[in-house]
Amino acid sequence: QKEVEQNSGPLSVPEGAIASLNCTYSDRGSQSFFWYRQYSGKSPELIMFIYSNGDKEDGRFTAQLNKASQYVSLLIRDSQPSDSATYLCAVNGDSNYQLIWGAGTKLIIKP
Amino acid sequence: ETGVTQSPTHLIKTRGQQVTLRCSSQSGHNTVSWYQQALGQGPQFIFQYYREEENGRGNFPPRFSGLQFPNYSSELNVNALELDDSALYLCASSSASGGDNEQFFGPGTRLTVL
Repeated sequence: QKEVEQNSGPLSVPEGAIASLNCTYSDRGSQSFFWYRQYSGKSPELIMFIYSNGDKEDGRFTAQLNKASQYVSLLIRDSQPSDSATYLCAVNGDSNYQLIWGAGTKLIIKP
Repeated sequence: ETGVTQSPTHLIKTRGQQVTLRCSSQSGHNTVSWYQQALGQGPQFIFQYYREEENGRGNFPPRFSGLQFPNYSSELNVNALELDDSALYLCASSSASGGDNEQFFGPGTRLTVL
């Protein structure tokens, strides 16, 4: 059973600080990794994807992938109250059509 | 806005009934995936349609069935509804088959089974 694990939180971070979200996955063969943001009652929206080991930056967001340790993380710099949401990690499964999702981490940015 | 639309937004049904949910994919996308998201959980993959054919299926019983039309819009049908079917149903479109492609989600249909 392929799994993606996330700490459910809530993770509380002061406004302006760096929020660090982590995700571990069980399938060593996974190649594609996605971070989605989901506001309460809304559908997930794609923030970033990463395929290669290392860091990928996009504005205030940085995704980090370490395939040897089987984890992927998302850093949010200069956190804003509008970043308060649930962050979902998704990984491609061993079937080429499927994404496997974590349960999400609830992030709260305190003004 | 992703350009993916779903209807209806909300739906209330009783146990044993049947329901059809609809999804229009983003322009240029030929693949639609359906997910079930229970409260406090991540999405669970139901199935994917690529060019009108089922391209893969998750661990859902046969009473969950689907269809994709020539314009790549899609339907999810659920027969013999159970209380545990209450969830947010999401469709996501992408430009090619495979779980390693960026998927863009519609707003979802909130189904309540009483």
